[in-house]
Amino acid sequence: DAKTTQPTSMDCAEGRAANLPCNHSTISGNEYVYWYRQIHSQGPQYIIHGLKNNETNEMASLIITEDRKSSTLILPHATLRDTAVYYCIVRVGWNSGGYQKVTFGTGTKLQVIP
Amino acid sequence: NAGVTQTPKFRILKIGQSMTLQCTQDMNHNYMYWYRQDPGMGLKLIYYSVGAGITDKGEVPNGYNVSRSTTEDFPLRLELAAPSQTSVYFCASSYRSGGPSTDTQYFGPGTRLTVL
Repeated sequence: DAKTTQPTSMDCAEGRAANLPCNHSTISGNEYVYWYRQIHSQGPQYIIHGLKNNETNEMASLIITEDRKSSTLILPHATLRDTAVYYCIVRVGWNSGGYQKVTFGTGTKLQVIP
Repeated sequence: NAGVTQTPKFRILKIGQSMTLQCTQDMNHNYMYWYRQDPGMGLKLIYYSVGAGITDKGEVPNGYNVSRSTTEDFPLRLELAAPSQTSVYFCASSYRSGGPSTDTQYFGPGTRLTVL
């Protein structure tokens, strides 16, 4: 799986959009970009994923650059409950060997400020 | 659906003791995983299973064993506990079909283990 690079920490004012970047310059053509978050002491929670096109769901939007070497997770109106560690992961969508090694890394610690 | 459940929530072990961490999912997922997370660190895969009766090692399997006798359950066994196994343990599951697909992992709430 491709390695990802994320900033260690970010702050965002409550009510503003939080834009979390991720660099995955060695991503392969069949690798998807996934985002998870982990609120303190809880299990990680899936947010969104995408391959090439931008994606949006009820939680967030995912913007993937045309060359797929980087992406941005957007939380449109951050709340205090969005304070968490956000993990960007790339992984293949299909592996005939059945093993999907997922490296979560240390992610970006997002602090939403009142 | 309850999703992924783990028991116990907390446990303190003495060095050399053994225990089993329980994990159950009710989503009929075929894949299940065990991760550990040390303080301030990311998650590391211990073992995974692609279906009942099939398990394989992840990044950090030493000191652990698993079994998968049913689709729902994936217990993690710690033999001869050591202080280095002090960590938070997360179980996860996902569904993967036989063709090109993506899968989303669903995590349990975790078990906080301290070995003294």
